[in-house]
Amino acid sequence: DTGVSQDPRHKITKRGQNVTFRCDPISEHNRLYWYRQTLGQGPEFLTYFQNEAQLEKSRLLSDRFSAERPKGSFSTLEIQRTEQGDSAMYLCASSYGRESDGYTFGSGTRLTVV
Amino acid sequence: AQSVTQPDIHITVSEGASLELRCNYSYGATPYLFWYVQSPGQGLQLLLKYFSGDTLVQGIKGFEAEFKRSQSSFNLRKPSVHWSDAAEYFCAVALYTGTASKLTFGTGTRLQVTL
Repeated sequence: DTGVSQDPRHKITKRGQNVTFRCDPISEHNRLYWYRQTLGQGPEFLTYFQNEAQLEKSRLLSDRFSAERPKGSFSTLEIQRTEQGDSAMYLCASSYGRESDGYTFGSGTRLTVV
Repeated sequence: AQSVTQPDIHITVSEGASLELRCNYSYGATPYLFWYVQSPGQGLQLLLKYFSGDTLVQGIKGFEAEFKRSQSSFNLRKPSVHWSDAAEYFCAVALYTGTASKLTFGTGTRLQVTL
């Protein structure tokens, strides 16, 4: 169990550019979540996968955001045409499937849009 | 809609003093409850969780939390704080939406420890 890995740890991009983040969950976890955390706030839910199926998306996930989880393993979160308001920490979490198990979070990707 | 309230934005305690961080939730049933800790620039680490049974739960790093149904609270406590406990603490509830459970977080309490 190597934990949840996220790459990159930090990303600085110019407004209007596209960025992609990767999350590698714990291998036996079938559920994967993306959260966004802005400064001084708690994480907010973005989207959820069970295996390769994206089952829920938050209204926070505008059409510039897309997430995939091919083959039910790693996941990617892409932001197109980045805006300064996209600057945040993007956290990935995974879980085995029972609510009582809790969720394991990665260290996050800090995005700064300049 | 469910919500989580952490009324204290910032708390300062002396090393060795006791600590209590408050958390109140609004939900129709007893949700799954969690406390996470986040060091600067890091992800979230699970301290403890409650989903049923004994209302006093023990976690890692000497933390404990007590679930009080009548008060809709799940306060985090530690008898003696260490300087390394300085961090941001988040209370969260898990809501099952029919497809999955997702966490709703409070806004966090930043703990500062003075020597």
